Amino acid sequence: SAVISQKPSRDICQRGTSLTIQCQVDSQVTMMFWYRQQPGQSLTLIATANQGSEATYESGFVIDKFPISRPNLTFSTLTVSNMSPEDSSIYLCSVGQGAMNTEAFFGQGTRLTVV
Amino acid sequence: AQKVTQAQTEISVVEKEDVTLDCVYETRDTTYYLFWYKQPPSGELVFLIRRNSFDEQNEISGRYSWNFQKSTSSFNFTITASQVVDSAVYFCALSEAWAGRRALTFGSGTRLQVQP
Repeated sequence: SAVISQKPSRDICQRGTSLTIQCQVDSQVTMMFWYRQQPGQSLTLIATANQGSEATYESGFVIDKFPISRPNLTFSTLTVSNMSPEDSSIYLCSVGQGAMNTEAFFGQGTRLTVV
Repeated sequence: AQKVTQAQTEISVVEKEDVTLDCVYETRDTTYYLFWYKQPPSGELVFLIRRNSFDEQNEISGRYSWNFQKSTSSFNFTITASQVVDSAVYFCALSEAWAGRRALTFGSGTRLQVQP
């Protein structure tokens, strides 16, 4: 299984600022995803990080707010821009592996608090 | 569109009791994958099992067992002789196999509290 390192593990940020979250995988993977988990809620897909092209965003999420980079097959970043308290969540990176990319593994998550 | 329903928001049991967590899914795809994850208070998602739509055999792993029934679109998870360390939020998730869609759709989760 892939080993996923996500940084930072937690942060407290001032509203109006931006935070970039890094996701590093120990092997090349085709599919990388970013999820958000608001307090007490389930996980919601933000976007699919595509290597060499723009990320594919889900309904309700836009590139200006959540810019994503995927420079190679082992690394991706998610930026949470112009933060407000409503952005306080756990952000998780996930990778797909295996046949049809159906093995799904997650990083340990970034717990973000916006004050 | 795909959907996963975990109707049990919270379950509380006493240690050594058996507990079953329900998961019902909806999909139009004939090839799909079902997952269970455990999320302890620390927040990470711990992978428990993946099952594809063509394999309806039940699976047992230690105290954990899973019952997959396509006829009722259910993929239930049973913990036998529960322990305090089993206390966590458990998520059921679905991944459809058609090209381009590999992300997971999650249920709302079931919080399991195991009392000593």
